[in-house]
Amino acid sequence: KAGVTQTPRYLIKTRGQQVTLSCSPISGHRSVSWYQQTPGQGLQFLFEYFSETQRNKGNFPGRFSGRQFSNSRSEMNVSTLELGDSALYLCASSLRASGGPSYEQYFGPGTRLTVT
Amino acid sequence: EDKVVQSPLSLVVHEGDTVTLNCSYEVTNFRSLLWYKQEKKAPTFLFMLTSSGIEKKSGRLSSILDKKELFSILNITATQTGDSAVYLCAAEGWGKLQFGAGTQVVVTP
Repeated sequence: KAGVTQTPRYLIKTRGQQVTLSCSPISGHRSVSWYQQTPGQGLQFLFEYFSETQRNKGNFPGRFSGRQFSNSRSEMNVSTLELGDSALYLCASSLRASGGPSYEQYFGPGTRLTVT
Repeated sequence: EDKVVQSPLSLVVHEGDTVTLNCSYEVTNFRSLLWYKQEKKAPTFLFMLTSSGIEKKSGRLSSILDKKELFSILNITATQTGDSAVYLCAAEGWGKLQFGAGTQVVVTP
C-alpha cells in the first residue's frame, strides 16, 4: 500500500506571498492531520480533517487554513507568509473515524518551506 | 495546558548498550501514547499504547504505559548505530497529537 504523499517536497517563497501544500493519505484513511515542525518549537499540531470537515484545530493564526476533498486528499494554505513560517510541514493520515478508537498516524515525507 | 515532557533530551551510548527513554504527559482527553523515530526525514511509527501495564515489543524495542502516573518508557536493547535518531513521544487526545521535544540518541560504534 502506498504511503502518505506530499507535494511539493521543497518550496521557497517570499514574505507576503501565499502557499498551498498538498497531501494524499494512505488509501482507506479518511483522517488527515497537519503539523508544523521547527527547530525551536518542535512538532506542533495545526488541524485535522475528516470527511471534508475540520474536526480539530491547534493554536495557529487564521493565516493557516486547510481543506479536505471527497477523496480524502487535503490541502493546507498559508497566506501572507512570514519569515517564521519557514518550517517542515508534515501531514499524517489515520483510520480514525468520528468518535471511534485511536489509530496510529502515519506521516508523509513533508514539505520544506523556506520564506525569504 | 497540555504538555508532554521527554527526558533525557539527548544521550550518547556505545553499540550494545541498553537505553531507556522517558515520556511524561498531561493531555486533556488522553486516549493513547505514541512513539515515533525520526531520522533526517518524517517520523516513522513505532508503537501506540492505550492500556496501562501492557508491554509492546518489536524486535529490540519495547514500550510500556502507566496511565496512573502519566508516563511511558521506550527501551532499546543491544543498540546499533542504525538506532541513532530522535525519538518522539506524542500523547493523543481525540486525534490531536501533542508531541514532546524528543530525545536525540547517538549510538557510537
